[in-house]
Amino acid sequence: EVQLVESGGGLVQPGSSLKLSCVASGFTFSSYNMHWIRQAPKKGLEWIALIYYDSSNKYYADSVKGRFTISRDNSKNTLYLEMNSLRSEDTAMYYCAKGGFAYWGQGTLVTVSS
Amino acid sequence: DVLMTQTPVSLPVSLGGQVSISCRSSQSLVHSDGNTYLHWYLQKPGQSPQLLIYRVSNRFSGVPDRFSGSGSGTDFTLKISRVEPEDLGVYYCLQSTHFPPTFGGGTKLELK
Repeated sequence: EVQLVESGGGLVQPGSSLKLSCVASGFTFSSYNMHWIRQAPKKGLEWIALIYYDSSNKYYADSVKGRFTISRDNSKNTLYLEMNSLRSEDTAMYYCAKGGFAYWGQGTLVTVSS
Repeated sequence: DVLMTQTPVSLPVSLGGQVSISCRSSQSLVHSDGNTYLHWYLQKPGQSPQLLIYRVSNRFSGVPDRFSGSGSGTDFTLKISRVEPEDLGVYYCLQSTHFPPTFGGGTKLELK
């Protein structure tokens, strides 16, 4: 059974940093591209980052480019999202998803507020 | 970016009824490989989105045949027949033909 479990969210102040993790199981993690998607409170879904299965390519939404970094450790079956210079508009539930978007984690909540 | 327009935003339904949700894209979703990467999700309250239909009309594992998807090009429809209580929530379409992937704004299915 495919499982994706996010962690690392919390309440942080504007301008600060946070690193999210997504631990994968039930599939060969190293063979799949992975995504991060976020959802602001009571809002729709926004794709924010993609990393290829071998980390050879990384892509970002304009809204996070230059501030967020996606990475992975295939030896630990773990996907990461490092978030810097956080803004109030980054407040959202953050989901990781397996390439193809068939499987999503339950999400981790990031709140940016002073 | 491809704009995905979902209608209606809110959809009241009676249990046992049938509904349709529309998703229109600002450009054709036919990929150069011949596939159309348009997918449908249901997000129940407090949960992450769950895949219902992939590539326009294919039901994901465990999805009941009350759910069906159709369409082509830029115009797609999700139909739900014999609506049950567990079908209530927000439905989203997603296109992954073009980069970046983009979602529709959502349709909230709620009881009349």
